[in-house]
Amino acid sequence: GENVEQHPSTLSVQEGDSAVIKCTYSDSASNYFPWYKQELGKRPQLIIDIRSNVGEKKDQRIAVTLNKTAKHFSLHITETQPEDSAVYFCAASPPGNTGKLIFGQGTTLQVKP
Amino acid sequence: DAGVTQSPTHLIKTRGQHVTLRCSPISGHKSVSWYQQVLGQGPQFIFQYYEKEERGRGNFPDRFSARQFPNYSSELNVNALLLGDSALYLCASSAGLQNTEAFFGQGTRLTVV
Repeated sequence: GENVEQHPSTLSVQEGDSAVIKCTYSDSASNYFPWYKQELGKRPQLIIDIRSNVGEKKDQRIAVTLNKTAKHFSLHITETQPEDSAVYFCAASPPGNTGKLIFGQGTTLQVKP
Repeated sequence: DAGVTQSPTHLIKTRGQHVTLRCSPISGHKSVSWYQQVLGQGPQFIFQYYEKEERGRGNFPDRFSARQFPNYSSELNVNALLLGDSALYLCASSAGLQNTEAFFGQGTRLTVV
C-alpha cells in the first residue's frame, strides 16, 4: 500500500549547522511532496513543497530535492536557528482524483543555541 | 483574515458515545480533508470532500463518516467511540482538489475514557 518512510526520527544540531531530513515513498506515480512544520501544540504549517516535474526548490534557508528514480526526497535547512526547533513531516500525494496526503512519521529537530 | 477553524478545541467522551467535530474552511476553499494524528505520529488521512462530494477515504472503519455542506464547512462524525480513537483530529482546506497547499486548522483534541 501507500507508504512514506521518514528518517531520522530525532535530529539535534548546533545553531548555525545544517539539518537534513530524508523521506522515501512507495508509489512511483506520486506527484506532489509537501513539507510541514509543527510546533508543540500548534497546527502543521507548510514550509515548502515540490512537484514531480521539478528536481529541486529553494526558499531562503530551506531547500527540497526530489529523486524520482529512487523515490526519495529530502529537506535541507541551512544556518539553523533555535526557532527552527519543531517536528517536521514530509508527505506525498498519491495519484488519483484526490488531494489525499500520506505523511511520514515525523522528525523532531532540536537546534541547540 | 480567518484561517481554518475547528470546534470544539477539546472534547472528552466516554466509550460507546458518538462525537461530531466541525470545520470551517478558508473562505473560497472548496476542499476539506480530515486527518487523525495520534501522539508522536504523522497525520493519517480519513476523508476528503470537494464540492460536497467525497473524493477520498482512508483506511478507517465505517464508524467514521463525514459530510460537507453547501457553504463548504464540514462535519466529521465518529460512532461507538473506542479508547483508540483518542487523538488530535485535524481539518485541512485547499483551494483545489489536489496538489495544492493544504491549510490546517488547530485541531480538536478528543479524549475517550
